[in-house]
Amino acid sequence: EAGVTQFPSHSVIEKGQTVTLRCDPISGHDNLYWYRRVMGKEIKFLLHFVKESKQDESGMPNNRFLAERTGGTYSTLKVQPAELEDSGVYFCASSLAGRREQYFGPGTRLTVT
Amino acid sequence: KQEVTQIPAALSVPEGENLVLNCSFTDSAIYNLQWFRQDPGKGLTSLLLIQSSQREQTSGRLNASLDKSSGRSTLYIAASQPGDSATYLCAPGPLLGGYNKLIFGAGTRLAVHP
Repeated sequence: EAGVTQFPSHSVIEKGQTVTLRCDPISGHDNLYWYRRVMGKEIKFLLHFVKESKQDESGMPNNRFLAERTGGTYSTLKVQPAELEDSGVYFCASSLAGRREQYFGPGTRLTVT
Repeated sequence: KQEVTQIPAALSVPEGENLVLNCSFTDSAIYNLQWFRQDPGKGLTSLLLIQSSQREQTSGRLNASLDKSSGRSTLYIAASQPGDSATYLCAPGPLLGGYNKLIFGAGTRLAVHP
């Protein structure tokens, strides 16, 4: 069974540009989460989808971040326009329905210069 | 607001030692708690999930305990090996204020040398 996959693994962009990160959860997992680690700090929750609906987006830092999960399968996280402080590692996780064990992807390392 | 503290921040031990990694959290209203390991440049690997109604979980050489009332969890690693070298993260899942989101500690960086 394939795990959670994320694309790209690395992205380097200039301040003001747009970047879109993609996450493919484990097949059959209704729950999909985005987290990030910035500036060597703890991993922080961004938002949670249940199928295609946003269940909790309390961790989204500002309106430059837009997450979608069309059709309840893969998800994208768009940052527009990117700022220097957005640099970090963005993780995606998925889990079965209910409050279950979360499985994480390898992350996307975003560098904004 | 849930705060998670992991002690020690770093640990370096010779192979074969039994280890105890500590995690404390300020809000005992949790639904579950997960322990992860993270290898450099890699994602997080789930090690153990403890439900709030459980006291401990075991997987191979790993044993995690949970004392929800005191806000503590402990990860015990028996007979450590160099392959156990990684950062270990503790993440409780709040009962309220967020459906199954995890709150992470800063981690314990473990180095096991031959």
